[in-house]
Amino acid sequence: AQKVTQAQTEISVVEKEDVTLDCVYETRDTTYYLFWYKQPPSGELVFLIRRNSFDEQNEISGRYSWNFQKSTSSFNFTITASQVVDSAVYFCALSGGVRTGANSKLTFGKGITLSVRP
Amino acid sequence: DTAVSQTPKYLVTQMGNDKSIKCEQNLGHDTMYWYKQDSKKFLKIMFSYNNKELIINETVPNRFSPKSPDKAHLNLHINSLELGDSAVYFCASSLPKTGINEQFFGPGTRLTVL
Repeated sequence: AQKVTQAQTEISVVEKEDVTLDCVYETRDTTYYLFWYKQPPSGELVFLIRRNSFDEQNEISGRYSWNFQKSTSSFNFTITASQVVDSAVYFCALSGGVRTGANSKLTFGKGITLSVRP
Repeated sequence: DTAVSQTPKYLVTQMGNDKSIKCEQNLGHDTMYWYKQDSKKFLKIMFSYNNKELIINETVPNRFSPKSPDKAHLNLHINSLELGDSAVYFCASSLPKTGINEQFFGPGTRLTVL
């Protein structure tokens, strides 16, 4: 069974602070994918990043960076110099080895509500 | 040129009614999904279809019946609506056989059962 744990439920920061959102996952699959999605107050789900289990390279995209560590089963997300527009619910998700449709579903964590105050 | 579209965006109805939500994708994907997001924002898979075949059915009550007339469409019909069915329902699609299971989500349908 797959499981995603986002232990932080709500985080509040002041603009320009750095913030890290934690994600820990469990899976028995040797091939799997990890994702982060953003859900702003408007409600849509916005894809941020996908990482496969064979690629532990960290990634940076502007103010966003991701740290994938298989040894600790973690896929953490850092926002540098946070802005008010970053206020949203952030979901970490996991899917199994694909090419078999039944394994392609996303298992989501419970989400972290990030509030960035001006 | 919306990738994944859902109709309606909002749905308000009385307990006991039957309602449908429609989903269409123009991405050429072969796998489509329904997810339910409850009042606590928790997202959970309900169903998945691959090329019109049901491949995932996650302990959803029989009152929920998905239908996929073709691989670009996945509709969700709900019979005898209950208060607990109030939620946001998201449709998504992907192309898992490419090995890249990025799922594209529709805008969601907010269902309110009174």
